Amino acid sequence: AQSVSQHNHHVILSEAASLELGCNYSYGGTVNLFWYVQYPGQHLQLLLKYFSGDPLVKGIKGFEAEFIKSKFSFNLRKPSVQWSDTAEYFCAANTGTASKLTFGTGTRLQVTL
Amino acid sequence: DAGVTQSPTHLIKTRGQQVTLRCSPKSGHDTVSWYQQALGQGPQFIFQYYEEEERQRGNFPDRFSGHQFPNYSSELNVNALLLGDSALYLCASSLLGPPGANVLTFGAGSRLTVL
Repeated sequence: AQSVSQHNHHVILSEAASLELGCNYSYGGTVNLFWYVQYPGQHLQLLLKYFSGDPLVKGIKGFEAEFIKSKFSFNLRKPSVQWSDTAEYFCAANTGTASKLTFGTGTRLQVTL
Repeated sequence: DAGVTQSPTHLIKTRGQQVTLRCSPKSGHDTVSWYQQALGQGPQFIFQYYEEEERQRGNFPDRFSGHQFPNYSSELNVNALLLGDSALYLCASSLLGPPGANVLTFGAGSRLTVL
């Protein structure tokens, strides 16, 4: 079955620390990968996406993610987090032209001053 | 502004009742998907509508049904509510096309509490 796993459920970092959130997927064939962010009280917003090409994808607000096919991973990174990055982060995947997304359980990031 | 509008934002129902949630997609989008997000979980796909027909369906019982109207807006109906149906219901719209164009825009959600 298709699945997405996020192993970090709750991460606490100080401002300016580096961030890496893990995401692994279990999919056959071509996979499209996404990271969404949900700030407190707000809707899900797309951070970045990977469909094909350069496996290092840059998104909004200084986030990037690297697609490593051999590891079935799509980890999210940011060199220096800010207090405003406090939010819940979801990795998601789909295949082909189907837009049905399978989400991970999410990682709650708390950035302290 | 998400571009996707959902109503109502909050509602409380009792077990056995029925509920209808509504969604207006982002301008220019023709496809609407519904997701259920239980507390502490990621969104789970319920179904997707395109050209007024159900195009894909997730692992949800027939108590969950939907509709898409000619103006692309959509409704989600849940019958015989159970306590476990308490969740945030998210609507997402997109433009049906090749993978590079197929990105979902989410609404803020309708929070359903079943007592």
